[in-house]
Amino acid sequence: DAGVIQSPRHEVTEMGQEVTLRCKPISGHDYLFWYRQTMMRGLELLIYFNNNVPIDDSGMPEDRFSAKMPNASFSTLKIQPSEPRDSAVYFCASRDRGDSPLHFGNGTRLTVT
Amino acid sequence: QKEVEQDPGPLSVPEGAIVSLNCTYSNSAFQYFMWYRQYSRKGPELLMYTYSSGNKEDGRFTAQVDKSSKYISLFIRDSQPSDSATYLCLVAQGGSEKLVFGKGTKLTVNP
Repeated sequence: DAGVIQSPRHEVTEMGQEVTLRCKPISGHDYLFWYRQTMMRGLELLIYFNNNVPIDDSGMPEDRFSAKMPNASFSTLKIQPSEPRDSAVYFCASRDRGDSPLHFGNGTRLTVT
Repeated sequence: QKEVEQDPGPLSVPEGAIVSLNCTYSNSAFQYFMWYRQYSRKGPELLMYTYSSGNKEDGRFTAQVDKSSKYISLFIRDSQPSDSATYLCLVAQGGSEKLVFGKGTKLTVNP
Protein backbone atom coordinates (compact mmCIF):
# COMPACT_ATOMS: atom_id res chain seq x y z
CA ASP A 1 0.00 0.00 0.00
CA ALA A 2 1.60 3.23 -1.19
CA GLY A 3 -0.47 5.46 1.04
CA VAL A 4 -2.04 8.74 0.00
CA ILE A 5 0.00 10.35 -2.76
CA GLN A 6 0.04 14.08 -3.35
CA SER A 7 1.69 16.13 -6.04
CA PRO A 8 3.50 18.37 -6.39
CA ARG A 9 5.36 18.45 -3.05
CA HIS A 10 6.18 22.10 -3.50
CA GLU A 11 4.60 24.78 -5.63
CA VAL A 12 5.78 28.35 -5.98
CA THR A 13 3.68 30.63 -8.11
CA GLU A 14 2.91 34.27 -8.63
CA MET A 15 -0.24 35.97 -7.52
CA GLY A 16 -3.01 35.60 -10.06
CA GLN A 17 -1.82 32.29 -11.46
CA GLU A 18 -3.86 29.10 -11.42
CA VAL A 19 -2.68 26.34 -9.09
CA THR A 20 -3.74 22.70 -9.26
CA LEU A 21 -3.00 20.27 -6.47
CA ARG A 22 -3.43 16.54 -6.98
CA CYS A 23 -4.24 13.61 -4.75
CA LYS A 24 -4.44 9.86 -5.13
CA PRO A 25 -6.20 8.25 -2.15
CA ILE A 26 -5.54 4.79 -0.78
CA SER A 27 -7.21 2.20 -2.97
CA GLY A 28 -10.57 1.13 -1.60
CA HIS A 29 -11.08 4.21 0.54
CA ASP A 30 -14.49 5.78 0.06
CA TYR A 31 -13.78 9.13 1.68
CA LEU A 32 -11.38 11.84 0.60
CA PHE A 33 -10.64 15.04 2.50
CA TRP A 34 -8.74 18.21 1.63
CA TYR A 35 -7.20 20.17 4.50
CA ARG A 36 -5.16 23.35 4.70
CA GLN A 37 -2.59 23.84 7.46
CA THR A 38 -1.13 27.13 8.65
CA MET A 39 0.65 28.09 11.84
CA MET A 40 -2.11 30.46 12.81
CA ARG A 41 -5.15 28.30 12.12
CA GLY A 42 -3.87 24.74 12.31
CA LEU A 43 -5.59 22.13 10.15
CA GLU A 44 -8.74 23.39 8.46
CA LEU A 45 -11.09 21.13 6.54
CA LEU A 46 -11.79 22.54 3.10
CA ILE A 47 -13.98 19.87 1.51
CA TYR A 48 -14.64 16.15 1.64
CA PHE A 49 -15.99 13.58 -0.78
CA ASN A 50 -17.81 10.30 -0.23
CA ASN A 51 -17.80 7.90 -3.18
CA ASN A 52 -16.56 10.73 -5.42
CA VAL A 53 -19.43 13.04 -4.48
CA PRO A 54 -18.69 16.32 -2.67
CA ILE A 55 -20.52 16.19 0.65
CA ASP A 56 -19.41 19.30 2.53
CA ASP A 57 -17.57 22.21 0.95
CA SER A 58 -18.41 24.74 3.63
CA GLY A 59 -14.73 25.10 4.47
CA MET A 60 -13.75 26.26 1.00
CA PRO A 61 -12.68 29.84 1.64
CA GLU A 62 -14.18 31.42 -1.46
CA ASP A 63 -15.10 30.87 -5.07
CA ARG A 64 -11.47 30.94 -6.10
CA PHE A 65 -11.20 27.43 -4.67
CA SER A 66 -12.71 24.39 -6.37
CA ALA A 67 -12.27 20.65 -5.97
CA LYS A 68 -13.18 17.68 -8.10
CA MET A 69 -13.05 13.94 -7.82
CA PRO A 70 -13.64 12.50 -11.29
CA ASN A 71 -13.03 8.93 -10.12
CA ALA A 72 -12.22 6.93 -7.00
CA SER A 73 -8.47 7.21 -7.47
CA PHE A 74 -7.96 10.89 -8.19
CA SER A 75 -8.90 14.31 -6.86
CA THR A 76 -7.79 17.87 -7.60
CA LEU A 77 -7.92 21.10 -5.66
CA LYS A 78 -7.69 24.18 -7.83
CA ILE A 79 -7.10 27.80 -6.85
CA GLN A 80 -7.79 30.41 -9.51
CA PRO A 81 -6.60 33.12 -9.19
CA SER A 82 -4.12 32.46 -6.42
CA GLU A 83 -3.30 35.06 -3.76
CA PRO A 84 -0.42 35.36 -1.26
CA ARG A 85 -2.79 34.52 1.63
CA ASP A 86 -3.34 31.10 0.06
CA SER A 87 0.23 30.18 1.00
CA ALA A 88 -0.02 27.12 3.25
CA VAL A 89 0.46 23.37 3.27
CA TYR A 90 -2.42 21.52 1.67
CA PHE A 91 -3.08 17.96 2.77
CA CYS A 92 -5.19 15.26 1.28
CA ALA A 93 -6.47 12.43 3.49
CA SER A 94 -8.59 9.35 2.90
CA ARG A 95 -10.41 6.74 4.95
CA ASP A 96 -12.32 3.60 4.13
CA ARG A 97 -15.52 4.14 6.11
CA GLY A 98 -17.27 6.60 8.37
CA ASP A 99 -15.71 5.57 11.65
CA SER A 100 -12.17 4.77 10.60
CA PRO A 101 -9.16 7.06 11.04
CA LEU A 102 -7.80 9.40 8.42
CA HIS A 103 -4.65 8.62 6.47
CA PHE A 104 -2.75 11.65 5.24
CA GLY A 105 -0.45 12.35 2.34
CA ASN A 106 2.73 14.35 2.82
CA GLY A 107 1.13 17.54 1.61
CA THR A 108 1.80 20.21 -0.99
CA ARG A 109 3.60 23.30 0.28
CA LEU A 110 2.19 26.23 -1.68
CA THR A 111 3.89 29.60 -1.82
CA VAL A 112 2.19 32.43 -3.68
CA THR A 113 4.37 35.50 -4.19
CA GLN B 1 -16.01 27.73 23.50
CA LYS B 2 -13.88 25.89 20.97
CA GLU B 3 -14.92 22.35 20.18
CA VAL B 4 -11.45 21.00 20.89
CA GLU B 5 -8.79 22.66 23.03
CA GLN B 6 -5.16 21.60 22.97
CA ASP B 7 -2.27 23.40 24.62
CA PRO B 8 0.11 24.34 21.78
CA GLY B 9 3.18 24.21 24.00
CA PRO B 10 5.97 24.14 23.11
CA LEU B 11 6.87 21.33 25.47
CA SER B 12 10.52 20.47 26.07
CA VAL B 13 11.57 17.42 28.09
CA PRO B 14 14.78 15.43 28.67
CA GLU B 15 15.23 12.04 27.08
CA GLY B 16 13.62 9.30 29.14
CA ALA B 17 10.91 11.52 30.61
CA ILE B 18 7.24 10.64 30.65
CA VAL B 19 5.28 13.01 28.45
CA SER B 20 1.62 13.84 28.91
CA LEU B 21 -0.32 15.49 26.09
CA ASN B 22 -3.94 16.48 26.53
CA CYS B 23 -7.05 17.68 24.77
CA THR B 24 -10.45 18.68 26.02
CA TYR B 25 -13.61 18.72 23.95
CA SER B 26 -16.99 20.27 24.47
CA ASN B 27 -19.47 18.07 22.59
CA SER B 28 -20.48 14.79 24.19
CA ALA B 29 -21.48 13.50 20.74
CA PHE B 30 -17.83 12.92 19.92
CA GLN B 31 -17.24 9.19 20.12
CA TYR B 32 -13.96 8.46 18.34
CA PHE B 33 -10.60 9.78 19.42
CA MET B 34 -7.31 9.74 17.60
CA TRP B 35 -3.78 10.97 18.13
CA TYR B 36 -1.54 11.90 15.25
CA ARG B 37 2.17 12.66 15.15
CA GLN B 38 3.46 15.13 12.61
CA TYR B 39 7.13 15.54 11.83
CA SER B 40 8.33 18.71 10.17
CA ARG B 41 7.41 18.84 6.49
CA LYS B 42 5.44 15.59 6.70
CA GLY B 43 1.79 14.68 6.89
CA PRO B 44 0.11 13.69 10.16
CA GLU B 45 0.65 10.02 10.98
CA LEU B 46 -1.88 8.03 13.00
CA LEU B 47 -0.56 6.91 16.39
CA MET B 48 -3.60 5.80 18.34
CA TYR B 49 -7.30 5.30 17.68
CA THR B 50 -9.88 4.60 20.35
CA TYR B 51 -13.62 4.87 20.79
CA SER B 52 -14.20 3.97 24.41
CA SER B 53 -13.36 5.36 27.80
CA GLY B 54 -10.30 3.91 29.43
CA ASN B 55 -6.75 3.21 28.35
CA LYS B 56 -5.26 1.79 25.19
CA GLU B 57 -1.60 0.91 25.09
CA ASP B 58 0.76 0.45 22.15
CA GLY B 59 4.41 0.12 23.03
CA ARG B 60 5.58 3.29 24.72
CA PHE B 61 2.31 5.09 23.92
CA THR B 62 -0.87 5.05 26.00
CA ALA B 63 -4.08 6.80 24.98
CA GLN B 64 -6.54 7.62 27.71
CA VAL B 65 -10.14 8.71 27.26
CA ASP B 66 -12.42 10.08 29.96
CA LYS B 67 -15.79 10.74 28.33
CA SER B 68 -17.38 11.96 31.54
CA SER B 69 -14.83 14.77 31.73
CA LYS B 70 -14.51 15.15 27.97
CA TYR B 71 -10.77 14.78 28.31
CA ILE B 72 -8.29 12.74 26.31
CA SER B 73 -4.60 12.18 26.91
CA LEU B 74 -1.59 10.66 25.22
CA PHE B 75 1.26 9.44 27.40
CA ILE B 76 4.71 8.71 26.04
CA ARG B 77 6.98 6.62 28.26
CA ASP B 78 10.76 6.66 28.01
CA SER B 79 10.62 9.53 25.53
CA GLN B 80 13.24 9.59 22.78
CA PRO B 81 14.64 12.41 20.64
CA SER B 82 12.86 10.75 17.70
CA ASP B 83 9.56 11.55 19.45
CA SER B 84 10.20 15.25 18.81
CA ALA B 85 7.26 16.29 16.66
CA THR B 86 3.89 18.00 16.82
CA TYR B 87 1.11 15.88 18.28
CA LEU B 88 -2.47 16.46 17.20
CA CYS B 89 -5.64 15.13 18.72
CA LEU B 90 -8.65 14.41 16.51
CA VAL B 91 -12.15 13.85 17.80
CA ALA B 92 -14.92 12.48 15.63
CA GLN B 93 -18.65 12.19 15.88
CA GLY B 94 -20.19 8.83 15.13
CA GLY B 95 -22.82 8.67 12.41
CA SER B 96 -21.57 11.85 10.77
CA GLU B 97 -18.43 13.16 9.20
CA LYS B 98 -17.76 15.72 11.88
CA LEU B 99 -14.05 15.59 12.63
CA VAL B 100 -12.30 18.25 14.67
CA PHE B 101 -8.57 18.59 15.15
CA GLY B 102 -6.80 20.20 18.06
CA LYS B 103 -4.22 22.84 17.14
CA GLY B 104 -1.35 20.50 18.04
CA THR B 105 1.34 20.45 20.74
CA LYS B 106 4.95 20.79 19.68
CA LEU B 107 7.19 18.43 21.65
CA THR B 108 10.97 18.46 21.82
CA VAL B 109 12.83 15.63 23.55
CA ASN B 110 16.36 16.67 24.37
CA PRO B 111 19.15 14.04 24.38
